[in-house]
Parts: sequence; C-alpha cells; structure tokens
Amino acid sequence: DGGITQSPKYLFRKEGQNVTLSCEQNLNHDAMYWYRQDPGQGLRLIYYSQIVNDFQKGDIAEGYSVSREKKESFPLTVTSAQKNPTAFYLCASSPRGRGYQETQYFGPGTRLLVL
Amino acid sequence: RKEVEQDPGPFNVPEGATVAFNCTYSNSASQSFFWYRQDCRKEPKLLMSVYSSGNEDGRFTAQLNRASQYISLLIRDSKLSDSATYLCVVNRAGSARQLTFGSGTQLTVLP
Repeated sequence: DGGITQSPKYLFRKEGQNVTLSCEQNLNHDAMYWYRQDPGQGLRLIYYSQIVNDFQKGDIAEGYSVSREKKESFPLTVTSAQKNPTAFYLCASSPRGRGYQETQYFGPGTRLLVL
Repeated sequence: RKEVEQDPGPFNVPEGATVAFNCTYSNSASQSFFWYRQDCRKEPKLLMSVYSSGNEDGRFTAQLNRASQYISLLIRDSKLSDSATYLCVVNRAGSARQLTFGSGTQLTVLP
C-alpha cells in the first residue's frame, strides 16, 4: 500500500536527550514536511524539504534538526535545546508542483512525551 | 490577526441537521484553499479542496468568497461519523507548498 509511515507511535524523552522521529513515504512525493500540533492549536511548520539534500526552516525550527538523504525519508531530531517538546508530531508529503491546489498527505503521527 | 481564523466551537448538532462552518484568512494573495478533517488523536485527512466556483462532494459543499476572504463548509444530513475537528487550510502567499492551518472547529453529531 502507498502511504506515509511514522515511527514510533509514542516516544518518551528524558531531559537532555536527543530523539529522532522517523518518517517514510512510498508515494514518490518530492516535498516532505514536519509539523507540530499542541492541544487546541493548529499545526505549526517545523521544517520542510522540496528535494533531496535540501531543506528549509519553518516557523518553529529552533531545537529541531532534519536531514533528507533519500527521497523517501525525512527524519526529525528533537534536540535537548527544544525546551518544550511534548506535542503531537506530524509528517506530511506532497507531489511535485502542479502549481497551486497542491495538497499534503499526512502520516499517523508520533506523540512525544517528556519524562 | 491570525493568518487563518476559525470558530473553535464546539458545534453540537443532532443527526440529520445541516451545519455550516466559516473560516477567514488574512492574506488576499492566497490561492489554494482546503478543508481537512481530523479525528481525535489522529492525523488530518483531506476532506476537499475549495475552488473559486464552489464545489460539492456528496453532503459537503465548500464555498470561497475572495472579496471577503472567507471560506465556508456546509454539511447536510449530518451523520454520527461526521463528528471530528474540521481544519481550514490556506496556502501562504507566494508559496504553493507551504500551508497555514487553522486551529479547527469541533463538531459533535448527537444521536
């Protein structure tokens, strides 16, 4: 089945620890995104990548890092510099530009909790 | 002013009712508009794109008013399964690939 997978479903982080969230897609989409969702709030963009080996900061990139070594994969690392990491993390992808009206498709998400 | 604003609700309606949500956006240069649906503790899923001429998909109708910068979603004959949070989504001006998500409107359809 084509789709976007994220792992793990739940992740626990200790103080001072870096953790990495996985996102893989087999939709052959060029662009991939990471969002964070806090209760009662909209999704906020952390990082996005339009092609392999290139990525840009979103609105709340501080304390996060990404890589895009393969088209299918866009892992997100939550570093110890991110002081309030507890949130629902969503990965999305979208196909190469057909101009506007591009849509984004989401993975099932990872819930990160700080111990 | 937020880029995308929605009434958070909750909207509690009986089965079979018609319910409408509105959403306003701040950037007049935005060109792509969507409604997503998000079930509790799940990922958002695309419900429908919103076109300038308005569009309908079964019981769902979306409208765009560029002059007033608002988008609407109408749900007719509400089902229990329509209970969810509905997210209004708009692209950022100058970027087809960056989207701004509203905080969502919560709908509960009651038996």
